[in-house]
Amino acid sequence: ILNVEQSPQSLHVQEGDSTNFTCSFPSSNFYALHWYRWETAKSPEALFVMTLNGDEKKKGRISATLNTKEGYSYLYIKGSQPEDSATYLCAPYGGSQGNLIFGKGTKLSVKP
Amino acid sequence: EAGVAQSPRYKIIEKRQSVAFWCNPISGHATLYWYQQILGQGPKLLIQFQNNGVVDDSQLPKDRFSAERLKGVDSTLKIQPAKLEDSAVYLCASSFGTGNEQYFGPGTRLTVT
Repeated sequence: ILNVEQSPQSLHVQEGDSTNFTCSFPSSNFYALHWYRWETAKSPEALFVMTLNGDEKKKGRISATLNTKEGYSYLYIKGSQPEDSATYLCAPYGGSQGNLIFGKGTKLSVKP
Repeated sequence: EAGVAQSPRYKIIEKRQSVAFWCNPISGHATLYWYQQILGQGPKLLIQFQNNGVVDDSQLPKDRFSAERLKGVDSTLKIQPAKLEDSAVYLCASSFGTGNEQYFGPGTRLTVT
């Protein structure tokens, strides 16, 4: 089973700050990586699906990059807002059936 | 389009009791997943169904956990008997097929006392 590491474990920022998180995964046999955003008491929401080395995807103030050769992905949030407060999960494909293997997540708190 | 539905949203039981969770996936999604998310950990796959067949249940504690998807649509996950360490959020997800984007329900938060 893949070992997926996310850092930092938690992050507290002020409204307006920009921030970034890291997801590390084994670079061999890479297929795809998913980023999810999970607000408390809500469903995890898909942010990005990344497949190609050098991929960069953007949704509003949130963007992500992918380096499959060295096995990491960065998630950036520009100008954090209180509504960005959530746990951000990354999940590469792995396992015997090619299922998603989730990291522990980065919990972001944005103070107004 | 309706999302993945789960019930109940919250459940508190005593250890050694039984509990069941229900999931209704997005219409047309052949693949259904049950995940367990323990506080401080990432979601862990318990079981994956393709229609009404089990694709992967390698991480399901089969001595106490069972799941079924008899008609290939909705699914139930049961724990009997529950232990304290089963306290977690149980997430259901569905997708068109294996490898496609997964859509999650809101989860059931289980507390075992």
